[in-house]
Amino acid sequence: AQTVTQSQPEMSVQEAETVTLSCTYDTSENNYYLFWYKQPPSRQMILVIRQEAYKQQNATENRFSVNFQKAAKSFSLKISDSQLGDTAMYFCASLTQGGSEKLVFGKGMKLTVNP
Amino acid sequence: EPEVTQTPSHQVTQMGQEVILRCVPISNHLYFYWYRQILGQKVEFLVSFYNNEISEKSEIFDDQFSVERPDGSNFTLKIRSTKLEDSAMYFCASRGGGGGYTFGSGTRLTVV
Repeated sequence: AQTVTQSQPEMSVQEAETVTLSCTYDTSENNYYLFWYKQPPSRQMILVIRQEAYKQQNATENRFSVNFQKAAKSFSLKISDSQLGDTAMYFCASLTQGGSEKLVFGKGMKLTVNP
Repeated sequence: EPEVTQTPSHQVTQMGQEVILRCVPISNHLYFYWYRQILGQKVEFLVSFYNNEISEKSEIFDDQFSVERPDGSNFTLKIRSTKLEDSAMYFCASRGGGGGYTFGSGTRLTVV
């Protein structure tokens, strides 16, 4: 069974600084995807970034980038130039290809960006 | 950009009542899902649906729950006799190829 662990329940950062959110996962599969979702107070689930496990290159999306360490089963999210609008819950999730391809989520981490 | 639409955004119901949560997935997606998030907790998988049948369901998805795709566009989650612990955000999602999930904005269900 897949598991996703986010060990930091809460973090804060000053506006314009860089912050890294950690995530580890466990799977016995070879083909999978990893995701970071943002959940603002509206509680909508917004995809931030995704990484295909077979790709060695770390995904980037504007101010968001990941550090994907496949052997260590680690998938951290780096947010550069933090903005007030980045304040939200962040969930790490994994998806195994094949079968129903359900998402397995971590417990989430609350990020607060301070002015 | 295509969206997954959920209605209603908020539903309040009395314990023991039946509720139906509605979703319109993205039109060319083939895989449909319901997830649940109890306040302050992580998002949990409930059920996946493909080719007009359930492909996987979690332990949470007991006999009180059912899903249906009554026509070509809607995808519904029914809870037959709601309990207080069913209070949560319910997210519908649909998926195309390549792991591309899209979530709806959720329905907040409050059971009183």
